[in-house]
Amino acid sequence: EAEVAQSPRYKITEKSQAVAFWCDPISGHATLYWYRQILGQGPELLVQFQDESVVDDSQLPKDRFSAERLKGVDSTLKIQPAELGDSAMYLCASSQHWNTIYFGEGSWLTVV
Amino acid sequence: EDQVTQSPEALRLQEGESSSLNCSYTVSGLRGLFWYRQDPGKGPEFLFTLYSAGEEKEKERLKATLTKKESFLHITAPKPEDSATYLCAVQAGETSGSRLTFGEGTQLTVNP
Repeated sequence: EAEVAQSPRYKITEKSQAVAFWCDPISGHATLYWYRQILGQGPELLVQFQDESVVDDSQLPKDRFSAERLKGVDSTLKIQPAELGDSAMYLCASSQHWNTIYFGEGSWLTVV
Repeated sequence: EDQVTQSPEALRLQEGESSSLNCSYTVSGLRGLFWYRQDPGKGPEFLFTLYSAGEEKEKERLKATLTKKESFLHITAPKPEDSATYLCAVQAGETSGSRLTFGEGTQLTVNP
């Protein structure tokens, strides 16, 4: 069964450093999402791509977060500089149709 | 603003003891209501999408139902392997893209 691949699974970084997460969606899925999940809460959307275009980044803290999906396949989410409050799980998801959205295993970020 | 409230926050059951989880929602024009299962440290696993009041879907020991204001996830004769956090999410009309708004989840523990 095809899966959404994410790396790294775990990342510890110091405050003010840069960090990046990578996502490879399920083959053929045009829509890609990045969500952030703080422990004990539900995921919240950061950015949504349709192919290589951003269709929703209204909740993305653009002063420090950036996301790209240059060729409309895999994607990178970057945080620079990282802050203590950025500690969370970063989830990538993809979909072929709006009604079935599959999530990856997530990337855990701890900022110290 | 779309809102999702899940109850209870946590639920402990004995193996074989059936129960229901609740998801109340407020959304302008429901496009779909989603249920996910999330194991500790992992990404959400897709279970169901419901579209309109009166709809029901089943998968093994799980059955999801939908009304105009809430959804229930019924668990029949649960087993310890059903222990997980169950997340509910709504997707509003087409103008909101395919953003999912999640509740905070119900943490289910099934004791043998």
